[in-house]
Amino acid sequence: DQQVKQNSPSLSVQEGRISILNCDYTNSMFDYFLWYKKYPAEGPTFLISISSIKDKNEDGRFTVFLNKSAKHLSLHIVPSQPGDSAVYFCAAKGGGSQGNLIFGKGTKLSVKP
Amino acid sequence: GAGVSQTPSNKVTEKGKYVELRCDPISGHTALYWYRQSLGQGPEFLIYFQGTGAADDSGLPNDRFFAVRPEGSVSTLKIQRTERGDSAVYLCASSLKVTDTQYFGPGTRLTVL
Repeated sequence: DQQVKQNSPSLSVQEGRISILNCDYTNSMFDYFLWYKKYPAEGPTFLISISSIKDKNEDGRFTVFLNKSAKHLSLHIVPSQPGDSAVYFCAAKGGGSQGNLIFGKGTKLSVKP
Repeated sequence: GAGVSQTPSNKVTEKGKYVELRCDPISGHTALYWYRQSLGQGPEFLIYFQGTGAADDSGLPNDRFFAVRPEGSVSTLKIQRTERGDSAVYLCASSLKVTDTQYFGPGTRLTVL
């Protein structure tokens, strides 16, 4: 059973607009969440993270929001750029094992010029 | 500085053969992780090392899979009697400490014919 779910396999956005990628989790013991971006034939690249004691973390054009009661987090990219086109993975850690990350299946973002 | 490197980038083998996949972590990183990514899925945890010892190998699918990190730096993932279902991209990551952000290598694409 998937503990981290990204229910949208793909998302298409116009350049300059906001991209919102969503992620849901089931394990209430998760205490740290991360977003990774992946281009074809490359490994995942760390983007931004958030601790469970916070509800928002911002880094330039990227903001992650965490709603613990809903077990939901989202990544906002504004303004979106064509170079943001990639697969975005949500990941979580905690719940007894500090080492491994639990990943969602990813959302493929396409930003059109 | 240099990131995580993995060799080979591609490996094609026949069913039943033995393969070794190598990972060179970022210099000074004490924690090293192996993940496997199948088509359309997110990375799936296999094993992680803290120094030379395997701290958590709960993700290894069966006893055909084994990993070592004898000197606390380079790691080798070993797969015996390969099966077609082992075909995937094998990703390695490292972090300064186990609680820190994991940085991924480009992966090794394994194809078992």
